[in-house]
Amino acid sequence: NAGVTQTPKFRILKIGQSMTLQCTQDMNHNYMYWYRQDPGMGLKLIYYSVGAGITDKGEVPNGYNVSRSTTEDFPLRLELAAPSQTSVYFCASSRKPGELFFGEGSRLTVL
Amino acid sequence: RKEVEQDPGPFNVPEGATVAFNCTYSNSASQSFFWYRQDCRKEPKLLMSVYSSGNEDGRFTAQLNRASQYISLLIRDSKLSDSATYLCVVNRNNNDMRFGAGTRLTVKP
Repeated sequence: NAGVTQTPKFRILKIGQSMTLQCTQDMNHNYMYWYRQDPGMGLKLIYYSVGAGITDKGEVPNGYNVSRSTTEDFPLRLELAAPSQTSVYFCASSRKPGELFFGEGSRLTVL
Repeated sequence: RKEVEQDPGPFNVPEGATVAFNCTYSNSASQSFFWYRQDCRKEPKLLMSVYSSGNEDGRFTAQLNRASQYISLLIRDSKLSDSATYLCVVNRNNNDMRFGAGTRLTVKP
């Protein structure tokens, strides 16, 4: 049972480059989330989705975009990468509020 | 003011000790509350939900005070394996889940 799968696990970007972090879940969960976690800090919500075709901004959406064309997939797009986007990114899904299942994280460095 | 605030820690306790963590939240419309555990360089995992009447799960007890907008987690008889960061999580409207910065616990032999 794969759960929540994130790719890539590690990535180094140059300033100004763009990339997409992939997230897919096989639990048929309606709710999906993207968080970022800076060293020694808590998780900050970037975007979330309550179902296919619906997305909402979280605390820190600037510099990111998402789409939710299917229940399974919730990719996070970084446009014009900046050093401030260096972080660990976690994708999560849930069947009901609060019970989030997380992927293993994607470590992104922007140089 | 942060929406979810936790004791900064770190808490360093001996095995067998009882330790309590506190969390406050600012959005009075928040609907539900949770504690998560995060091991070093790992993803967070759900520890327990927090119910209005308080709830227990083995050595762990969670309490909620809506009037004071306050959540707590009590760990009794601490084990070495309890060493982790504990994250307070608040569900605002529409399943917008917000995390506190976490409290680090180290249990020592």
